[in-house]
Amino acid sequence: GQSLEQPSEVTAVEGAIVQINCTYQTSGFYGLSWYQQHDGGAPTFLSYNALDGLEETGRFSSFLSRSDSYGYLLLQELQMKDSASYFCAATGDDKIIFGKGTRLHILP
Amino acid sequence: KAGVTQTPRYLIKTRGQQVTLSCSPISGHRSVSWYQQTPGQGLQFLFEYFSETQRNKGNFPGRFSGRQFSNSRSEMNVSTLELGDSALYLCASSLEDRGVEQYFGPGTRLTVT
Repeated sequence: GQSLEQPSEVTAVEGAIVQINCTYQTSGFYGLSWYQQHDGGAPTFLSYNALDGLEETGRFSSFLSRSDSYGYLLLQELQMKDSASYFCAATGDDKIIFGKGTRLHILP
Repeated sequence: KAGVTQTPRYLIKTRGQQVTLSCSPISGHRSVSWYQQTPGQGLQFLFEYFSETQRNKGNFPGRFSGRQFSNSRSEMNVSTLELGDSALYLCASSLEDRGVEQYFGPGTRLTVT
């Protein structure tokens, strides 16, 4: 079957670094995307990895290892506004599959 | 550029009824995807339309259907509503099919009683 696994919740301290992992299983894998969703809001695109390695966009970085079917989102210098749910999404032959999301709690 | 718009934003329906939701993508975007979001299941893919053709379909019953018009606007229809259809229905547009960077609308909150 096709599935993505990511932790349901992660807690970190303001100013720290946090990593949200995602493992996937999908046919005809193209790449892995990450989305952020604040409560009551719509998901917004953060990053996409089609090739192995790290992609950096400001405080956010995303990593992909195709051989391990694994990726992660790295958030640095955490701010309270980063409190949200983060979804990984795998694009494959047939469809885009989203993980169930990781709720990020940030402590002051 | 205007973002993705969805109408209506909120809807209350009774079991057995049918509903039609509408989505207008960002100008120039030809792909529209629909998702169902519930607290327990996260975002579940319903279907994707590109240039008026359904390109991909998720694992939902035939009660869920959709279409895309020549101006890329899309509608989603759910017939014979069930209580379990209560959810946030999100539409997302992208430039190309299986678009990596999807832009989501605010969603339609459907409540079935």
